[in-house]
Amino acid sequence: EPEVTQTPSHQVTQMGQEVILRCVPISNHLYFYWYRQILGQKVEFLVSFYNNEISEKSEIFDDRFSVERPDGSNFTLKIRSTKLEDSAMYFCASSETLYLGYTFGSGTRLTVV
Amino acid sequence: EDKVVQSPLSLVVHEGDTVTLNCSYEVTNFRSLLWYKQEKKAPTFLFMLTSSGIEKKSGRLSSILDKKELFSILNITATQTGDSAIYLCAVEVGGGSNYKLTFGKGTLLTVNP
Repeated sequence: EPEVTQTPSHQVTQMGQEVILRCVPISNHLYFYWYRQILGQKVEFLVSFYNNEISEKSEIFDDRFSVERPDGSNFTLKIRSTKLEDSAMYFCASSETLYLGYTFGSGTRLTVV
Repeated sequence: EDKVVQSPLSLVVHEGDTVTLNCSYEVTNFRSLLWYKQEKKAPTFLFMLTSSGIEKKSGRLSSILDKKELFSILNITATQTGDSAIYLCAVEVGGGSNYKLTFGKGTLLTVNP
């Protein structure tokens, strides 16, 4: 069964550094998303991406965050000037259409120290 | 603010029991309600519900949506230890080509042998 692949599975970074989280969505999917889950809390929406541009972003997605689809397969989330409160599990998701639900990747655990 | 509330937050049962997990919501621009199972990391898709009163079934799992009373239930019959997981309810909201998921906190189900 097709999967959404995320790398790395765990990333530790120093506060203030930049990180890039990588995702390979399912190949025929057109809609891409990032969600995050702080330990013990709800899964929260960060950003949606379609047709090479951001469709919607949440208030969490401040100007330190950016997304990119640099080629036909990868979808990346970059966080600049990381803060301790960025520590969370980051999930990438994709969907083929707006009617068939979302497939989630297995996540990247980001730890900012 | 969109709200999704799941109950109970945790539940411990014995193998063979039947469980009912609840999800109520208050959102604007409802499009669908989704159930996911989260074991180690990635939420895995169970059901997507868009119409009231139509039960969806997959093996021992079933789910139904009530759009008038704004809730959904997820039933698991003849529970097995492999059903132990966090069950997430998410409501899809939005319009046009912009949709996102708002999640509940989840129900932690533990099935003891």
